[in-house]
Amino acid sequence: GAVVSQHPSWVICKSGTSVKIECRSLDFQATTMFWYRQFPKQSLMLMATSNEGSKATYEQGVEKDKFLINHASLTLSTLTVTSAHPEDSSFYICSARDRTSGRFNEQFFGPGTRLTVL
Amino acid sequence: AQRVTQPEKLLSVFKGAPVELKCNYSYSGSPELFWYVQYSRQRLQLLLRHISRESIKGFTADLNKGETSFHLKKPFAQEEDSAMYYCALSLLNTNAGKSTFGDGTTLTVKP
Repeated sequence: GAVVSQHPSWVICKSGTSVKIECRSLDFQATTMFWYRQFPKQSLMLMATSNEGSKATYEQGVEKDKFLINHASLTLSTLTVTSAHPEDSSFYICSARDRTSGRFNEQFFGPGTRLTVL
Repeated sequence: AQRVTQPEKLLSVFKGAPVELKCNYSYSGSPELFWYVQYSRQRLQLLLRHISRESIKGFTADLNKGETSFHLKKPFAQEEDSAMYYCALSLLNTNAGKSTFGDGTTLTVKP
């Protein structure tokens, strides 16, 4: 159980275009989903916390107008990279927290999406 | 603000040797500590959490509040343990669930 999927697994786009990445919890309801960036051989950088039915909370330094997050249901959150530029190329990972987990803050991770902006 | 430090970026041991991946944290409240592992070409997955006090794949980790540490240990490393390991901290008894991750340690177990 507790599987998180991401789509697409990789995407190549031209500079200036927008790209949408989906994150789905397949067998549980996720009150909270998180979006991370991971640079090569580096740690996860939390970008934002996405709560179902409310606005996302962005970390300091993350442009909310550039990285649009929508958490329309308990099983789906989307990250849209608007007007993408080469510096946005990265590995984007989502994770989800099971709403039934109570006080435990374990996160279930998606497989990640490799974005390459030409 | 909370902070997680993994002082070793790379760690290499021989098969059968003991291994310890260090993790130190700073947080004034009650933390919830985790170890996540990422095997080659796989997603991050939970290895263990301090609340459960469990042993997974032979790994254990004890929360030492005095030293603010949560080191990951295994008495006899195996080649399949080669992976990237992340220590993470969350705030206990909150609904936010946000975690702070360390920079990770790449463990290589040589035959």
